Amino acid sequence: NAGVMQNPRHLVRRRGQEARLRCSPMKGHSHVYWYRQLPEEGLKFMVYLQKENIIDESGMPKERFSAEFPKEGPSILRIQQVVRGDSAAYFCASSVGPSWGEQYFGPGTRLTVT
Amino acid sequence: SQQGEEDPQALSIQEGENATMNCSYKTSINNLQWYRQNSGRGLVHLILIRSNEREKHSGRLRVTLDTSKKSSSLLITASRAADTASYFCATDDGGSNYKLTFGKGTLLTVNP
Repeated sequence: NAGVMQNPRHLVRRRGQEARLRCSPMKGHSHVYWYRQLPEEGLKFMVYLQKENIIDESGMPKERFSAEFPKEGPSILRIQQVVRGDSAAYFCASSVGPSWGEQYFGPGTRLTVT
Repeated sequence: SQQGEEDPQALSIQEGENATMNCSYKTSINNLQWYRQNSGRGLVHLILIRSNEREKHSGRLRVTLDTSKKSSSLLITASRAADTASYFCATDDGGSNYKLTFGKGTLLTVNP
């Protein structure tokens, strides 16, 4: 019974490159959430997706960041033209549904921009 | 400022002692959750308490919620070295259940 899977676990990108982070939710979960954790900070909500739909992207920067959760395959968080300030841990969580409240987190992807 | 703020920022105790961490928040909530994060790793869900609940137990964990004071506490009894981790409370905003806000956490160190 696998939990939330994220890959890669560590990602190094040079400034200006693109970063793609993947998240496979727990079996039976169709709701996915992305959070960002800056050093010494708590997690900050970025976006909430269901299959093929973005439900709430109020926490996502307006430029360079996008997210998708296609009908088949993992959810993808894409960061274009990365900058040093994008260096952070990006966590994906999934749930059975938003009304339940409980979100189960993956191990995170640690992005380092050099 | 943060919706959920943990206190203290750091706590160091001996194995076998109890550890108490507190969380305060500012707006109405539906649920409050506690998570544990080991250094450099993901978050592990510990317990969820709903706004109409006052206390909840899970193994060595005891969580209380006081909605009038907008505060919660997490008690870990008979602590073990393996409990060493950062502990975060996460709250929703009372409107949606899904948009969790985390504090900066309490770093608990349990010395053997």
